[in-house]
Amino acid sequence: DAKTTQPNSMESNEEEPVHLPCNHSTISGTDYIHWYRQLPSQGPEYVIHGLTSNVNNRMASLAIAEDRKSSTLILHRATLRDAAVYYCILRDVDTPLVFGKGTRLSVIA
Amino acid sequence: NAGVMQNPRHLVRRRGQEARLRCSPMKGHSHVYWYRQLPEEGLKFMVYLQKENIIDESGMPKERFSAEFPKEGPSILRIQQVVRGDSAAYFCASSPGQHSNQPQHFGDGTRLSIL
Repeated sequence: DAKTTQPNSMESNEEEPVHLPCNHSTISGTDYIHWYRQLPSQGPEYVIHGLTSNVNNRMASLAIAEDRKSSTLILHRATLRDAAVYYCILRDVDTPLVFGKGTRLSVIA
Repeated sequence: NAGVMQNPRHLVRRRGQEARLRCSPMKGHSHVYWYRQLPEEGLKFMVYLQKENIIDESGMPKERFSAEFPKEGPSILRIQQVVRGDSAAYFCASSPGQHSNQPQHFGDGTRLSIL
């Protein structure tokens, strides 16, 4: 049972920023927030993760609310290759990844 | 630096046969996880192994399914006497440790079809 809530789908225009929201109101103090994405016919791909502070890497940025009850994955310039299902996952110590339904992102050229 | 390798990519079996799915983790990774994705559904955790040990098999069906990760060689997910409902994509992931801040790296999966 996923502990996160995400919109079923979102659309973005190519080369525009995309903000993918995730609610996790029951997050515990030891839960890390992980984001993965799954392109068609491929395995999930790690995107980014964080605990309390905002995080940046070459793929995306992760903005975490001050109360940690929500977070936003930011793709700075969407490309057609970013069309995928994006999963927001809370992970505690010694627990497996629990995938929900995720957000299906469509990118329009 | 090779990623997680799974083979075969596609596997077709008839009902009642055995299916063996292999997973070679990334170099330096000693933790392996297996997930199953049924058609039009999300990924579900099956089992977590560390070299020669099963750590968590809470997601594994009680019958017909088994997994191992020997000291040498790939991790194997074995399904005996397959049934149509076993048709799915099976993904393997690896990580260097089990801490919750370590990402898992996934292979491209084995797509199992049961005739």
